Amino acid sequence: GENVEQHPSTLSVQEGDSAVIKCTYSDSASNYFPWYKQELGKGPQLIIDIRSNVGEKKDQRIAVTLNKTAKHFSLHITETQPEDSAVYFCAARGSQGNLIFGKGTKLSVKP
Amino acid sequence: EAQVTQNPRYLITVTGKKLTVTCSQNMNHEYMSWYRQDPGLGLRQIYYSMNVEVTDKGDVPEGYKVSRKEKRNFPLILESPSPNQTSLYFCASSLKGGINSYEQYFGPGTRLTVT
Repeated sequence: GENVEQHPSTLSVQEGDSAVIKCTYSDSASNYFPWYKQELGKGPQLIIDIRSNVGEKKDQRIAVTLNKTAKHFSLHITETQPEDSAVYFCAARGSQGNLIFGKGTKLSVKP
Repeated sequence: EAQVTQNPRYLITVTGKKLTVTCSQNMNHEYMSWYRQDPGLGLRQIYYSMNVEVTDKGDVPEGYKVSRKEKRNFPLILESPSPNQTSLYFCASSLKGGINSYEQYFGPGTRLTVT
């Protein structure tokens, strides 16, 4: 079935360093790839997304890259800050239009 | 304020006692969905609804029911809860579903414990 693999499951960085989270997807027809941030006690919130006709998208300190040939996409956070600490989920839109989520990455940014 | 609301936020119940978790959105969204979140498993879809009176199973529908009688509401019903349904539940909505679906907005979550 359709699947999204996400790595790493946990990531610890020093404040100011960069963080990279990687995802691979199985359905070559997927055309929409959102990233969600979930803070403790809250629901996931969209932070950035990319569509299949674009290779890279940036929004301030956050960027997402997409390699359709390899079926993988990545989230890059530069100049990390303690408030970036959260669980991050990647997702890919499946053939039915539903989102298929990765298992999440717990990011800890140490001051 | 545009939002998805869920009630209750926390619920402790016993095996077999029917319960309903309500979900409501005020954004006139057509698409609504329920997920459960378990440690190490991420978010898994339970049921979704493309529009009023249209519902369909997600990846883990066993033991759950839903209804979509009105556009804004999408309750999740557990007719006979069991301990393996102890989880964190999220409702989400988006303007439309399907292959050209839009961003999904999530509710704050309902933590359910079944003893």
